[in-house]
Amino acid sequence: DSGVTQTPKHLITATGQRVTLRCSPRSGDLSVYWYQQSLDQGLQFLIQYYNGEERAKGNILERFSAQQFPDLHSELNLSSLELGDSALYFCASGREVNYGYTFGSGTRLTVV
Amino acid sequence: AQSVTQLGSHVSVSEGALVLLRCNYSSSVPPYLFWYVQYPNQGLQLLLKYTTGATLVKGINGFEAEFKKSETSFHLTKPSAHMSDAAEYFCAVTKAAGNKLTFGGGTRVLVKP
Repeated sequence: DSGVTQTPKHLITATGQRVTLRCSPRSGDLSVYWYQQSLDQGLQFLIQYYNGEERAKGNILERFSAQQFPDLHSELNLSSLELGDSALYFCASGREVNYGYTFGSGTRLTVV
Repeated sequence: AQSVTQLGSHVSVSEGALVLLRCNYSSSVPPYLFWYVQYPNQGLQLLLKYTTGATLVKGINGFEAEFKKSETSFHLTKPSAHMSDAAEYFCAVTKAAGNKLTFGGGTRVLVKP
C-alpha cells in the first residue's frame, strides 16, 4: 500500500457521460498530481494541485477538470466522455521539499 | 522544456543475465532523474532517484543507475535478472522539487527462464 488511495478502481461508462475520480493523498503530502496512461500516449501529465491551489497544467482537455479540497483529497471530473478517454488515470502525491512522488494504484476507465 | 527518451520499448533478457535499460534526457537546467517500475495492473513504484551528490544511485530490488551529465544519460542496470523483474520501467525527469515529472515512453522487460 503506497498510502495514496484512488477510487473507484474500475469504471465502465457510456459515451457522453460524466464521471468523477477520487484521490486521497498520502498523509502529510500537500501536492496532488493527475496522470493519464494510455497505450498510444503513454503517461501524460494532466494537472497538479498544491494545498488547494492549481499549480501546473499539462495536456488536460477542456472537458476535464479537477479540484483539491481543504482536506487535501482531489477529484478529477471527466465529462462528455469519448471512446478515446478510456485509459488508466493515476493520482500521485508529494511534498514540496521532496523530489518525485508516490503513485496510487489507478482508476481504469472504460468508455463504451 | 524537458523530455525523456527511453531506447527500446521492449527488452528481453534471460534469467540471470544483465538488465540494461537506457534513458536519455534533455533539460535546460540541472535535472533530477527517476526510475519507476510498473507491475501489471498496478501503479508506479519508485525504484531510485538522483537529485544531487553521488552520480551512482542504488535503488530497490538490486537496481542501480548512473547519472552521466556529459552523455545526458541515466541508464538503469541490474547485474542478474530475476523472473520477478518482468514489468514496465519508466524514466522520468523534473527540474525542481515539487514540480511535475515528465516520463519517457517506458520499456517493457520480459525475463526468459
